[in-house]
Amino acid sequence: EIVLTQSPATLSLSPGERATLSCRASQSVSSYLAWYQQKPGQAPSLLIYDTSNRATGIPARFSGSGSGTDFTLTISSLEPEDFAVYYCQQRNNWPPTFGQGTRLEI
Amino acid sequence: QVQLVESGGGVVQPGRSLRLSCAASGFTFSTYAMHWVRQAPGKGLEWVAVMSFDGSNIYYADSVRGRFTISRDNSKNTLYLQMNSLKTEDTAVYYCARDYRKMRYKDYWGQGTLVTVSS
Repeated sequence: EIVLTQSPATLSLSPGERATLSCRASQSVSSYLAWYQQKPGQAPSLLIYDTSNRATGIPARFSGSGSGTDFTLTISSLEPEDFAVYYCQQRNNWPPTFGQGTRLEI
Repeated sequence: QVQLVESGGGVVQPGRSLRLSCAASGFTFSTYAMHWVRQAPGKGLEWVAVMSFDGSNIYYADSVRGRFTISRDNSKNTLYLQMNSLKTEDTAVYYCARDYRKMRYKDYWGQGTLVTVSS
């Protein structure tokens, strides 16, 4: 199965700053990569699909990029509600796999 | 709006069985594939299983294949996960999630139900 490695494990930033989260795949996933946000005590929510497409209702400050094995989620200017755990997920191959997560903390 | 409500979790001994349910509303359930995803306490997400809208296509994670069975009743707008031969490592919050884009992603998630496997 494809292993997704996210870095850093924890990212400490302040509101208004730019956040850059990385996801690296053990083999190519083409463009079939998504990003999810999970806040404490809540279910995950879909942010980005197919590398760079924002899901319904997701603000423009969230953007995704990359291809093949290296992907990035960028939050251009952090809002207080953005501090959460972020997971990448691939579905180029079965089974779908998730990265281990990046915790974005204040 | 889209709602997914899981139920059926609880504490169960290793080797025993449990059936989870996921009641869907706010969308045409019979036209969507549905997933189960789990999250062990303090850990990341693990995909468990998916069933196509009509039940004709089913896929499982290796870790649960042969022990878990996903099913659905489109007349009741309900997804199920039958879990047999439970192991301590199955302890997790189990989420049902609606499929997005041909079994690639999940766009709506329930709040989850906790399954604890312990003697």
